[in-house]
Amino acid sequence: KNQVEQSPQSLIILEGKNCTLQCNYTVSPFSNLRWYKQDTGRGPVSLTIMTFSENTKSNGRYTATLDADTKQSSLHITASQLSDSASYICVVSPGGSYIPTFGRGTSLIVHP
Amino acid sequence: GAGVSQSPRYKVTKRGQDVALRCDPISGHVSLYWYRQALGQGPEFLTYFNYEAQQDKSGLPNDRFSAERPEGSISTLTIQRTEQRDSAMYRCASSSPSGGAGQETQYFGPGTRLLVL
Repeated sequence: KNQVEQSPQSLIILEGKNCTLQCNYTVSPFSNLRWYKQDTGRGPVSLTIMTFSENTKSNGRYTATLDADTKQSSLHITASQLSDSASYICVVSPGGSYIPTFGRGTSLIVHP
Repeated sequence: GAGVSQSPRYKVTKRGQDVALRCDPISGHVSLYWYRQALGQGPEFLTYFNYEAQQDKSGLPNDRFSAERPEGSISTLTIQRTEQRDSAMYRCASSSPSGGAGQETQYFGPGTRLLVL
């Protein structure tokens, strides 16, 4: 069964600090991995997408890494801002299918 | 419109009533997905359409749930004889396929918060 596990479940950091969120998956065959940001009460918005051959992808202060061998990904947030407070969801799409597998998300709270 | 819209945004109903949730995808998007999202968790796949054809409904919890997209645009998710456990956020997403299966970005709507009393 395809699964996506994220850690930590929740995280509280001070404004300006860096943090890293983890995603482990057992989706096969692998097509791509996305990180979504979901603000409270809003729908998820795509941050990055990586395919099998990509190791890292940046979007402003967000940097995602992918190790397809160990089936792990991380999302690193640099110099956090209050607006980074949200849920971050890892989504893995299997090859040949339109149906992605979602992780449960990591809830990030950035305190001033 | 510019994005995916859903209506109603909030729905409170009594147990046993039927509800119909509407999704209006981004114009021209071929694919449409329905998800259910519990508080504090990621979306859970329900069903998927390609144009008007329902390609996969394996995520629908039981036969009280059904969905249609008769003209390949607007979609309706119907829950019959609602139960309290149906209470959740129901989200719709649309995408325009590019680069093959699984390559497209899904754009999510604001969701319909359903509360069954």
